[in-house]
Amino acid sequence: AQSVTQLGSHVSVSEGALVLLRCNYSSSVPPYLFWYVQYPNQGLQLLLKYTSAATLVKGINGFEAEFKKSETSFHLTKPSAHMSDAAEYFCALSGAGSYQLTFGKGTKLSVIP
Amino acid sequence: EAQVTQNPRYLITVTGKKLTVTCSQNMNHEYMSWYRQDPGLGLRQIYYSMNVEVTDKGDVPEGYKVSRKEKRNFPLILESPSPNQTSLYFCASSSWDPPVQYFGPGTRLTVT
Repeated sequence: AQSVTQLGSHVSVSEGALVLLRCNYSSSVPPYLFWYVQYPNQGLQLLLKYTSAATLVKGINGFEAEFKKSETSFHLTKPSAHMSDAAEYFCALSGAGSYQLTFGKGTKLSVIP
Repeated sequence: EAQVTQNPRYLITVTGKKLTVTCSQNMNHEYMSWYRQDPGLGLRQIYYSMNVEVTDKGDVPEGYKVSRKEKRNFPLILESPSPNQTSLYFCASSSWDPPVQYFGPGTRLTVT
């Protein structure tokens, strides 16, 4: 069985501050890990993915995430928050060789001017 | 442009009136899937399809039907909608290597 836990259903940061969204996973097989972003009234857009190559993954809009096997974590970071980053972020996992995605419950990011 | 399209984007209907939400992808993906998104519950998979004529239940299939007669299309059918099916629905299709899912814009369904 596999699972994804996102710590914090709601995170607030000031504009220009570091964004850190936490994701921990559990998987019995080597995982592929993903971060998706959902802007209001829109679908999910892929931010970045880890597929067993480099452990530090860079995505769109200045986001990056680091795969840490020893900590079973895949936290999402961005050095400086912009107002346009306000959205809901989902961490997701699939087992290598599988299409099936397991999602975390999501973290809503608010950016305070 | 590679995309997943859904129609309609918004739908208000009454209990028991059959409806279909269409989903189409232009990326030649074999895998397609339907999810519903509800506050506090995140995304839950309804049905998925590994290829034409191959469909299987996800986590919350009750009250839904799907069909996959063509590779590009994967409609979601609610034969007798009920208020507890009021939700935001997403269709997705997936590449294989690596398995990355691409989502449609969503269909907001209200059943009164």
